[in-house]
Amino acid sequence: KQEVTQIPAALSVPEGENLVLNCSFTDSAIYNLQWFRQDPGKGLTSLLLIQSSQREQTSGRLNASLDKSSGRSTLYIAASQPGDSATYLCAVRSGTNAGKSTFGDGTTLTVKP
Amino acid sequence: SAVISQKPSRDICQRGTSLTIQCQVDSQVTMMFWYRQQPGQSLTLIATANQGSEATYESGFVIDKFPISRPNLTFSTLTVSNMSPEDSSIYLCSVVKGRDTGELFFGEGSRLTVL
Repeated sequence: KQEVTQIPAALSVPEGENLVLNCSFTDSAIYNLQWFRQDPGKGLTSLLLIQSSQREQTSGRLNASLDKSSGRSTLYIAASQPGDSATYLCAVRSGTNAGKSTFGDGTTLTVKP
Repeated sequence: SAVISQKPSRDICQRGTSLTIQCQVDSQVTMMFWYRQQPGQSLTLIATANQGSEATYESGFVIDKFPISRPNLTFSTLTVSNMSPEDSSIYLCSVVKGRDTGELFFGEGSRLTVL
């Protein structure tokens, strides 16, 4: 059974700082890994999707990496802004495109002006 | 991407009643899921909504409590039956788009409070 862990659970940084969020998973037989952002009381917004054959994906100030062999992914946020404050969730889809996604508990990020 | 509309966005219900949540997608999708997010927790998969057949439920979730319909490839409903305060959660509809990428998209969620 796939288990997904996100560290840290919460993070507070001053504006402008670069930061890294971590996601680890127990079963390396994954189809893809996806990072989401969730604002309080809202749904999930897809940030980055990494296929099992890829090592990283970039979008703007965000960069996500994947190391299947070690069961880890990181989300790097450059030059953080107060608008980046949200909960960031990692989801791992196991096996095939028809596989289920398992979510981590998330990292709640606060960026202080 | 996918545009997913959920109704209602939020509701306050009395114990013992039932509520049906609707999910409408802007294009046909093969895979559609229902998730629950209890306060302060991450997402838990309730079931996979199968078009034209019974939903596939995860361990701990049963059809009598969470009946699901999926009459076509763009629409699904989730009913939360005989509600109790423990059912207070955000219920989220999600779909997979992209046959090769398998990217997951979510609706805005339906926040349910049971008194």
